[in-house]
This record gives sequence, structure tokens and C-alpha cells, in this order.
Amino acid sequence: SQQGEEDPQALSIQEGENATMNCSYKTSINNLQWYRQNSGRGLVHLILIRSNEREKHSGRLRVTLDTSKKSSSLLITASRAADTASYFCATGTTGNQFYFGTGTSLTVIP
Amino acid sequence: NAGVTQTPKFQVLKTGQSMTLQCAQDMNHNSMYWYRQDPGMGLRLIYYSASEGTTDKGEVPNGYNVSRLNKREFSLRLESAAPSQTSVYFCASRGGHLSGEQYFGPGTRLTVT
Repeated sequence: SQQGEEDPQALSIQEGENATMNCSYKTSINNLQWYRQNSGRGLVHLILIRSNEREKHSGRLRVTLDTSKKSSSLLITASRAADTASYFCATGTTGNQFYFGTGTSLTVIP
Repeated sequence: NAGVTQTPKFQVLKTGQSMTLQCAQDMNHNSMYWYRQDPGMGLRLIYYSASEGTTDKGEVPNGYNVSRLNKREFSLRLESAAPSQTSVYFCASRGGHLSGEQYFGPGTRLTVT
């Protein structure tokens, strides 16, 4: 399987703290994306970083990409209870297929 | 603008029954995808369609067939359902070739007994 893996599998933090989750993947990629999934819902796209980029920001989100280590991290700053969700990375290659990781379950305690 | 819609939301089948999951998008996207999500496994690609008239196998295509009826609609068919196909099924669409972002439907929760 070319599926990536997120680490940790589960994360519990207090509101206002930062949350960091990591993604490791196996093959060369064109881009890497992060998605959020609230319980019982479909996935929502958060941010995309291309293989020639090292860091990207969007609001309270910061994504880094290290292609030499085949890894990425997602940082959510000043977390809120509404950030409670599962977070998935997805890698895009030259074709039309995307490979999703196994997800990190984030709980933000008010 | 409804985005990506899926029907039905829930379905229970007996082993051996058949059914078709429907998906439609109103964003004029070229690419459409079917994934299944199982606990602890993330999303796995079943089939995808890069454009109207083309379909390709993904990671886990066995036991499924697809039809790209037109640019808007992409259906997934289970010809003879098995308990191993109990899962949540998501349809997604994507815009242009350079766009990585996928838009997901709300999912279909399928149970095969």
C-alpha cells in the first residue's frame, strides 16, 4: 500500500494550546494536502503544499514539507474546541490518484 | 450550488444483494473519485474517473464497478455484496489538472449482513 501514516493516532490538548501532527509517506509526490473530517461528515480540504515548497501558512494553520525525509507536519495554533476532528494527509502524484493517511484524531478540551 | 451529493445516506444489504451508490457534482469538475473508509484504515481509493468517458482502478477495486454517466455523475455498483464491503463510501470531485483539492460528498454508510 502507498498509504501514508499520521502520527500521533490521537491527540488531546487544552483550548488555546498548539496541536502538531505529522505525516509520513512512501513515494515521490507532486503535492501533499491536509484534510479535516468532523465526526460523521465528509472530508474538507484545509491546505495544499507543492513538492517544491517547504512551508505554507493559512490562517492558524502552518504546514511544512520535507521531501528528503518524506514527511510533513501540520501545526494548528491557538486551538479551539471547534478544531476537534480527525485530520488526514493525502499525497498527490503525477497521475490522478491520491493516497490518504490513516488520520490523527484531535480532541480540544474547552 | 450543492457541491457533491451522494445517495443514499444509509443502506443495509444482505450478502449477495446488489446496489448502486449515486454521486453527482455541480462544479463542472473533470475528475471524480470513489473511496471507502474503514476504521483505522483511512480512505482507500476504489475507482476514479479522470474525465467523462474514462474510468480507472484504484487501490481496492475488487467487487466494484463504476460508471461515469456524464460529467456530473459517477456511480459505484456492488454486484454481489459481501460483509467485507461494510464501510462508509465517499465520492469526491476535483477541478483542473493542476488543482489538488478534492471536494467530498457527505458519505454513504453501508452495512452488509
